[in-house]
This record gives sequence, structure tokens and C-alpha cells, in this order.
Amino acid sequence: DSGVTQTPKHLITATGQRVTLRCSPRSGDLSVYWYQQSLDQGLQFLIQYYNGEERAKGNILERFSAQQFPDLHSELNLSSLELGDSALYFCASSGTSGRTNEQFFGPGTRLTVL
Amino acid sequence: TQLLEQSPQFLSIQEGENLTVYCNSSSVFSSLQWYRQEPGEGPVLLVTVVTGGEVKKLKRLTFQFGDARKDSSLHITAAQTGDTGLYLCAGSRSNDYKLSFGAGTTVTVRA
Repeated sequence: DSGVTQTPKHLITATGQRVTLRCSPRSGDLSVYWYQQSLDQGLQFLIQYYNGEERAKGNILERFSAQQFPDLHSELNLSSLELGDSALYFCASSGTSGRTNEQFFGPGTRLTVL
Repeated sequence: TQLLEQSPQFLSIQEGENLTVYCNSSSVFSSLQWYRQEPGEGPVLLVTVVTGGEVKKLKRLTFQFGDARKDSSLHITAAQTGDTGLYLCAGSRSNDYKLSFGAGTTVTVRA
């Protein structure tokens, strides 16, 4: 158990809909990262928040947005969903943005868009 | 194009055999991590290496970071069926907050 929690575990929805994925980092970790994992793309970095502020952006679509709240939990919002958005979405957290950048991953949310 | 290239993509061996997975790049990394992931679950951190030439051992797993900090390898001695999984390398470059992941190596250890 990494200490990172994600809800829900599974999500099935239809094209055009909007969903919210939730993540709670390990106790004391200030950084939260979101990743998308699909069969053909591997693990792709989406976005990072550090203590409530956006710090880095990766290959995140404009239809996707995220935020980190004062209690450090984070939400990833996916809107106008398309079939191609079906994937595993992982949240990771780390303690500092120091040299090692060790990240600890949650169990993921499997999103299926029908 | 992946920043980190892993090879081989797939590896199937008999229990008790040894295996090596490679992770290569043309970029220099300030740190490099190895993760193992099982189907439907999140990647689990195995090790972090930060110094060029560094070798770390975790029971039957040996991790090496290249002298120039551009490549790494994972060697498993006397593989067991419990070693089956997707092995991912991931690196951080200086002043870059994100981790760049390799595509992974799927290891299957047959009983």
C-alpha cells in the first residue's frame, strides 16, 4: 500500500459526459501528479500540482483540468469525453521536488467511455 | 518518440533463469527510478538511483545506473514466478518536475 488513495476504482460513462477523479496523496506529501495509461501510449504525464499551485503540465488535453485543494487532495476533471479517453488514470504523490523525484502511485481509476 | 527506450519489450523465461532489462536515453538524468506494475494496479517503486555508476541491490534484483547517467539496467537473478510483471524505468532531468517513463518491459516467468 503506497498510501495514495484514488476513487472511484472503476468508472463507466458515455461519450460527451463529464467525470471527476479524486486523489488523496500520502500524508505529508505536497506534490500530486496525474498520469494517463493506455495500451498504445504507455504512462503519460498529464499535470502536477505542488501545495495547491499548478507546477508542470504535460500532454493534457484542453477538455481536462485539475486542481489541488487546501487539504492537498486533488481532482482531475474530464469533460466532453470521447472513446479514446478510455484508459487507466493514476495519481502519484511525492514529498519534495528534490533531486530524486520519487513518486508513489495510487491504485488508479479505470475509465471506460462507451 | 520515447525519451527513455526500454528493451526488450517482452521477456519470457523459465523459473530459475536470469534476466536483464535495459533502459537507454540520449539525455542525462538527475535520478532514475524502476517500478513494477501488475495488471490493473498502480506502479510500485522498486529503487531510485542518482549517482553515475551506482549499483543497488534489492534481494535478487540488481540495478545499475550508467556512468554518464543516461542509461540503467535491471538484472534479476534466479527469477521466480512472483517476478512476473511490467517493469518500467522513469527518469527526471535537472529542473524538470515530471517523470518520463519508458514504454516498459513485460516479464513473464514460467513455472
